[in-house]
Amino acid sequence: QLQLQESGSGLVKPSQTLSLTCAVSGGSISSGGYSWSWIRQPPGKGLEWIGYIYHSGSTYYNPSLKSRVTISVDRSKNQFSLKLSSVTAADTAVYYCARATTSEYFDLWGRGTLVTVSS
Amino acid sequence: SYVLTQPPSVSVAPGQTARITCGGNNIGSKSVHWYQQKPGQAPVLVVYDDSDRPSGIPERFSGSNSGNTATLTISRVEAGDEADYYCQVWDSSSDHPFYVFGTGTKVTVL
Repeated sequence: QLQLQESGSGLVKPSQTLSLTCAVSGGSISSGGYSWSWIRQPPGKGLEWIGYIYHSGSTYYNPSLKSRVTISVDRSKNQFSLKLSSVTAADTAVYYCARATTSEYFDLWGRGTLVTVSS
Repeated sequence: SYVLTQPPSVSVAPGQTARITCGGNNIGSKSVHWYQQKPGQAPVLVVYDDSDRPSGIPERFSGSNSGNTATLTISRVEAGDEADYYCQVWDSSSDHPFYVFGTGTKVTVL
């Protein structure tokens, strides 16, 4: 049973870079037909897609965040990562990693991790 | 960018039917997916491709999509259905296609 687990710093100072990793277990991130996304949810608010990466390494980002986002994959560790630079309080959110199918829906989610931006 | 609009809240008595709408420009031409999110938990897919259900999702959950509105219907509502619900599409209509989520609807079981 494939599972996703987020990890990383829960507290980041303003202007610094947020870094998170999503470990994939029970299956290979290199399996064809899927993309791997980061999605966030500010407290009490809705869901916002951040970006995705394919196992090949190709990426696509939400245009509103594109200038600050980098998503990468480490096939040897079966994980993918998110870096979000120049963070502000508005980036405080629960960050989820998720798998999307070729039909473009998210069939598998991690439990999420809260990242707070504060000095 | 593409916008999906949902009512902020829907209230329903147990055993009745809840209908949650998701409005978007010509949304009927897109595939719509629905997620249920309970407090403190990750979203769970309940309907995909407008009207299909993942394994393990009760038949009480159904979906439809036409024109400018997609609808998630929950029949014979139970207390355990109380949650936030989000619609989602893949918007490929612009030079910058991406995943779009609806604004979310809180379903309250009276």
